[in-house]
Amino acid sequence: NAGVTQTPKFRILKIGQSMTLQCTQDMNHNYMYWYRQDPGMGLKLIYYSVGAGITDKGEVPNGYNVSRSTTEDFPLRLELAAPSQTSVYFCASSYSPLLNSPLHFGNGTRLTVT
Amino acid sequence: AQTVTQSQPEMSVQEAETVTLSCTYDTSESDYYLFWYKQPPSRQMILVIRQEAYKQQNATENRFSVNFQKAAKSFSLKISDSQLGDAAMYFCAIMDSNYQLIWGAGTKLIIKP
Repeated sequence: NAGVTQTPKFRILKIGQSMTLQCTQDMNHNYMYWYRQDPGMGLKLIYYSVGAGITDKGEVPNGYNVSRSTTEDFPLRLELAAPSQTSVYFCASSYSPLLNSPLHFGNGTRLTVT
Repeated sequence: AQTVTQSQPEMSVQEAETVTLSCTYDTSESDYYLFWYKQPPSRQMILVIRQEAYKQQNATENRFSVNFQKAAKSFSLKISDSQLGDAAMYFCAIMDSNYQLIWGAGTKLIIKP
């Protein structure tokens, strides 16, 4: 059982480049989340999904896009990368966050935009 | 928009003593859920305890309990008989009816042996 898998682990982008952060889970979880965590700060919600075909904006969606074509995959797309998007990105999933089912996190992607 | 504030960047406690981590939040909703998560160095988030806003009774889970003050929008976590394994970052979070999960900045808990 792999849990939540994020790729890549590290990436350096030049300003204006684009990339996709991959997130996949093998636990058949409906709820998936993308967060960014800046140094010394908490997690900021970028986008989330309550099931395949459904996505919603979180606190800081500008500059990002997501899709949820399958239950397993929830990729995060960065278009026209900016230095302000330098951060650690976490993907998470849960069977039901309203029950005592845990929130599973990936290991994170450290992104630097220069 | 919902916000969560954890005003204590770092707390320390002697092993076997009791410590309280504070959390305040803001929401316009009447129905929501509150959580405390623990993040050890392994980075995995571990659910510690949760509280439904419609329940007046404070949630407890073994050595962990909360003091939920709905009118004051306060949700503090009390850890009794602190153990070395309790050392971690602790995050407070709120979930609304749209299933958005919003987090505080975290409190680093240090356990002194």
